[in-house]
Amino acid sequence: NAGVMQNPRHLVRRRGQEARLRCSPMKGHSHVYWYRQLPEEGLKFMVYLQKENIIDESGMPKERFSAEFPKEGPSILRIQQVVRGDSAAYFCASSLQGDINEKLFFGSGTQLSVL
Amino acid sequence: GDSVTQMEGPVTLSEEAFLTINCTYTATGYPSLFWYVQYPGEGLQLLLKATKADDKGSNKGFEATYRKETTSFHLEKGSVQVSDSAVYFCALVNTGFQKLVFGTGTRLLVSP
Repeated sequence: NAGVMQNPRHLVRRRGQEARLRCSPMKGHSHVYWYRQLPEEGLKFMVYLQKENIIDESGMPKERFSAEFPKEGPSILRIQQVVRGDSAAYFCASSLQGDINEKLFFGSGTQLSVL
Repeated sequence: GDSVTQMEGPVTLSEEAFLTINCTYTATGYPSLFWYVQYPGEGLQLLLKATKADDKGSNKGFEATYRKETTSFHLEKGSVQVSDSAVYFCALVNTGFQKLVFGTGTRLLVSP
């Protein structure tokens, strides 16, 4: 049973380009969470999605960032017109039932570097 | 808002030494507390958790006790191994929320 798969592992973009980060949850999991880790900081919650629905996006920046988790396919975190401050490690996690006390399974992350 | 504070690293120990990584938290209500570990090149993994005061979480020789009076959840291990080298994250989730609040992480380096 494969774990949570994130790709790419490393993504380099120039300022103003778009970044698309993909997350395939564990098989059977329909709850996905995205976290961001800025340099020297802890992971910060961004968004919680359940298949086709955004449940909590209170941690998402108001502009340029969006997330989706379609019925088929991976969850996508999209960052438009990237800026240097977007450089960070982005982690995805999934769970089976959406109970936060339940074990979350994390991917290895995508390291985004904005030049 | 809710927050978690961890001791800064790196923590450097010799094999078989005793480990303590301090973690304190600020939260309203009655949060659940977690320790996650990240080995090089891998995603975070749940190490242990405690959901109410005085609970002790344990796994793989690691322990942490939920101390409400001191708002702490310190991670301990009696005898570390080289394979324990990793980054350790303390985290909490508050009742009714679906988001973990993480500390900044503490890197542990264990030498033979």
